[in-house]
Amino acid sequence: QVQLAESGGGVVQPGRSLRLSCAASGFTFSGYAMHWVRQAPGKGLEWVAVISNDEINKYYADSVKGRFTISRDNSKNTLYVQMNSLRAEDTAVYYCARGPRGYDSYFDYWGQGSPVTVSS
Amino acid sequence: EIVLTQSPGTLSLSPGERATLSCRASQSVSSSYLAWYQQKPGQAPRLLIYGASNRATGIPDRFSGSGSGTDFTLTISRLEPEDFAVYHCQQYGSSPGTFGQGTKVEIK
Repeated sequence: QVQLAESGGGVVQPGRSLRLSCAASGFTFSGYAMHWVRQAPGKGLEWVAVISNDEINKYYADSVKGRFTISRDNSKNTLYVQMNSLRAEDTAVYYCARGPRGYDSYFDYWGQGSPVTVSS
Repeated sequence: EIVLTQSPGTLSLSPGERATLSCRASQSVSSSYLAWYQQKPGQAPRLLIYGASNRATGIPDRFSGSGSGTDFTLTISRLEPEDFAVYHCQQYGSSPGTFGQGTKVEIK
C-alpha cells in the first residue's frame, strides 16, 4: 500500500534553516510528481511546492519562493524540502502528498505530517 | 489566484441526517478540477472526491460531489459517526492550486 512518511520537523529560531524529508513506499515513486502542502495552526491548507517526477521542473508558492527548495532522490524514494530564512509565519504542519496529475493536481495520498515551529 | 469560499463554516447535524456543503470559487474552475478532502483532528487530509464528482478509491457512496463553473457541492447522504470532521475543497485547474478555509461538520 502507498505510504508517505515525513521527518525532520521541530522547533527552529527565525532566520535559521530546516530540511524535511518524506520517505515513499508502495508505489513507483519516480512515476509521480510530488508536492508539499502545509497547514498553520487552526488554519486551512496551503500548497507550498511541487517537483516533477523527473526532478526537472519545480514550482513554488509566492510565500516561499526564494527561501524553500524542493528536491527528490528517486534512487532513495525520498522527497525533500530545504527551508531557509524561516519566519514565524512558516509555522505549520508540513505534509508531503502525491499528485497523480502532475503539477496541477489533486492529492491522492498524504503523509502524516511533520510539525515545524519557528520561534525564538 | 482563485479564492474558494466554503459555507457554512460549521454545520451542526445529527447522525443519519443529510449534509450539504458548499464551495464557491471567485472565478470559473477549469474543467471542473475540484476536489474534496476530509480531515479529522490530528490526521492528514483524505481525498474524497476529484474532478468535482468522482469518488476516490474506497470512499463510500454516501459521499457525492456535484457542480461546475463556480459553484460546487459535497453531499453526505446519511451522516455516520465517523463522518464528523472538517471538509476542505481544492481547485487544481488554475495555478497555483488553492484550498477553501474548510467546513466543520459537528454533532448536534
